[in-house]
Amino acid sequence: DADVTQTPRNRITKTGKRIMLECSQTKGHDRMYWYRQDPGLGLRLIYYSFDVKDINKGEISDGYSVSRQAQAKFSLSLESAIPNQTALYFCATGRRFFNEQFFGPGTRLTVL
Amino acid sequence: QKEVEQNSGPLSVPEGAIASLNCTYSDRGSQSFFWYRQYSGKSPELIMSIYSNGDKEDGRFTAQLNKASQYVSLLIRDSQPSDSATYLCAVASYNTDKLIFGTGTRLQVFP
Repeated sequence: DADVTQTPRNRITKTGKRIMLECSQTKGHDRMYWYRQDPGLGLRLIYYSFDVKDINKGEISDGYSVSRQAQAKFSLSLESAIPNQTALYFCATGRRFFNEQFFGPGTRLTVL
Repeated sequence: QKEVEQNSGPLSVPEGAIASLNCTYSDRGSQSFFWYRQYSGKSPELIMSIYSNGDKEDGRFTAQLNKASQYVSLLIRDSQPSDSATYLCAVASYNTDKLIFGTGTRLQVFP
């Protein structure tokens, strides 16, 4: 089955640590997205990429960076984690000319 | 004003009833509309998409779009306890490839 996978699924870390969340997809989609979800705030876009050389900031990119290593891989980094980055993080994929997006299973990140 | 608004709920309906979920949006240039279902602690799952005014039916789900009034709705017929989840409305404009999500409506279907 074509799929979107995220690793790790759960992570607990300490303030100031560098963290990388990884996303891989076998859907063959060219577009990839990173969101975070907080209770009451819904899904907020962190970064998105339309292809390997095209990376764009979303509405809440401060404190995050990304890398699109290949069409199928899109990583999110927290250079120096802080407690208010505790959230559920989702990767999503999409196709050119279509707006629908398909989500990975998510990573629950806790920053102590 | 939020770009995509949904009543947070919970919306409680008895098993077998019709659940009606509503969403309004502010951008008149919006072209694509989606409903996602999200179980607690899980990822959003796309269940319906609609692009033109009117109704679109898929099994027990019907999406309704009214661009003049800037609202989109989701009807769930013969609601089941397994439909209990949060339903997210998402909207995309023609000139952007980003989705704007509402904060979701929590649906509870009781036996």
